[in-house]
Amino acid sequence: AQSVTQLDSQVPVFEEAPVELRCNYSSSVSVYLFWYVQYPNQGLQLLLKYLSGSTLVKGINGFEAEFNKSQTSFHLRKPSVHISDTAEYFCAVSDRNSGGSNYKLTFGKGTLLTVNP
Amino acid sequence: EPEVTQTPSHQVTQMGQEVILRCVPISNHLYFYWYRQILGQKVEFLVSFYNNEISEKSEIFDDQFSVERPDGSNFTLKIRSTKLEDSAMYFCASTGRGHLETQYFGPGTRLLVL
Repeated sequence: AQSVTQLDSQVPVFEEAPVELRCNYSSSVSVYLFWYVQYPNQGLQLLLKYLSGSTLVKGINGFEAEFNKSQTSFHLRKPSVHISDTAEYFCAVSDRNSGGSNYKLTFGKGTLLTVNP
Repeated sequence: EPEVTQTPSHQVTQMGQEVILRCVPISNHLYFYWYRQILGQKVEFLVSFYNNEISEKSEIFDDQFSVERPDGSNFTLKIRSTKLEDSAMYFCASTGRGHLETQYFGPGTRLLVL
């Protein structure tokens, strides 16, 4: 079984400030890691993912995340946020070895990022 | 860019009524999922579906729920007799060959059971 903890339910920041959204996971197996973003009244959009290789992954809209296996973390960062980044951000994991027909995702509770002018 | 679509976007129903939520996955995707998100809670896995069979279902997915791929494009979630606690946002997702681990989500259906 897996679990995902997003330590901050809300993160308010000012425009052009850097931001880090924290995600820790617990799993007895190797995992794939994802960040999804949900803009107001919209669905879940894939922001970035870690499958293998370099532990620093870059996604859309200037976001990046770093996989840290020893700390079981996958924190999301952006060096300078815009007002348009205001959204809810979800960290998720799936079992790397589960097979093609079921890579079900386990989600964290989400972090609401609010960017203020 | 191809996307997953869901209808309706909102549905209000009376307790005990049947509802069918519809999804059109990305064309040529073969693996399908339903998730739900109760207001203020986590997105939760309901069921995965491949080759016209359920691959896995969660504890939430009891006998009141069923899924079907009635034709080559639609993927449906039916709730036979809705309860108040079924009120949630329901998301459909699909994946395709070459990137089986990466799920693409639809915009969701907000279900309100009164």
